[in-house]
Amino acid sequence: EAGVVQSPRYKIIEKKQPVAFWCNPISGHNTLYWYLQNLGQGPELLIRYENEEAVDDSQLPKDRFSAERLKGVDSTLKIQPAELGDSAVYLCASSLSRSGRSSYNEQFFGPGTRLTVL
Amino acid sequence: GENVEQHPSTLSVQEGDSAVIKCTYSDSASNYFPWYKQELGKGPQLIIDIRSNVGEKKDQRIAVTLNKTAKHFSLHITETQPEDSAVYFCAATRYSSASKIIFGSGTRLSIRP
Repeated sequence: EAGVVQSPRYKIIEKKQPVAFWCNPISGHNTLYWYLQNLGQGPELLIRYENEEAVDDSQLPKDRFSAERLKGVDSTLKIQPAELGDSAVYLCASSLSRSGRSSYNEQFFGPGTRLTVL
Repeated sequence: GENVEQHPSTLSVQEGDSAVIKCTYSDSASNYFPWYKQELGKGPQLIIDIRSNVGEKKDQRIAVTLNKTAKHFSLHITETQPEDSAVYFCAATRYSSASKIIFGSGTRLSIRP
């Protein structure tokens, strides 16, 4: 079974330019997450989708970041305009969440996109 | 909100020796503590987890312990091997599909041959 797919794996851009990252979750996984991982730090949640609905975007800097998951499958995270401080790894993860069940649903992470802003 | 602190940030051990990574958490409502391993160029991968109603859990060479009173939990790797070299993250959350995972800052483990 294929894991979480992310592209591109690496991206170098100049500041003030736009950039977009794409994620395809594990087939059948209804929950999708975008994380930011700064160098030497653990991942921090940016946004979580349940199907096509963004249910937790409290940590997403909405002035420059946007995300979409139009058909409830793959997702795109965009930054416009990028700033020097946005240089980091952007991780996508997915899980299978079952409604009405109190349980932890294991998140499976993709390899990430390493963004360098010059 | 939850805050997870992890120590040490780097750890180097001789192959065959044991490695211990320690974490503390702040939110007494957290009841689920997963550990992740991240190899170079890959995303984090769940390697073991523990719930707050259990004090210890073991899976082959890795074990986790939890002291709920002190809000401490630890990862123990015995008989370390070269393939154990990676960055390890502890995390804390509530055992609910809607809860956010809070990660520690990571420990870079190096195994010396």
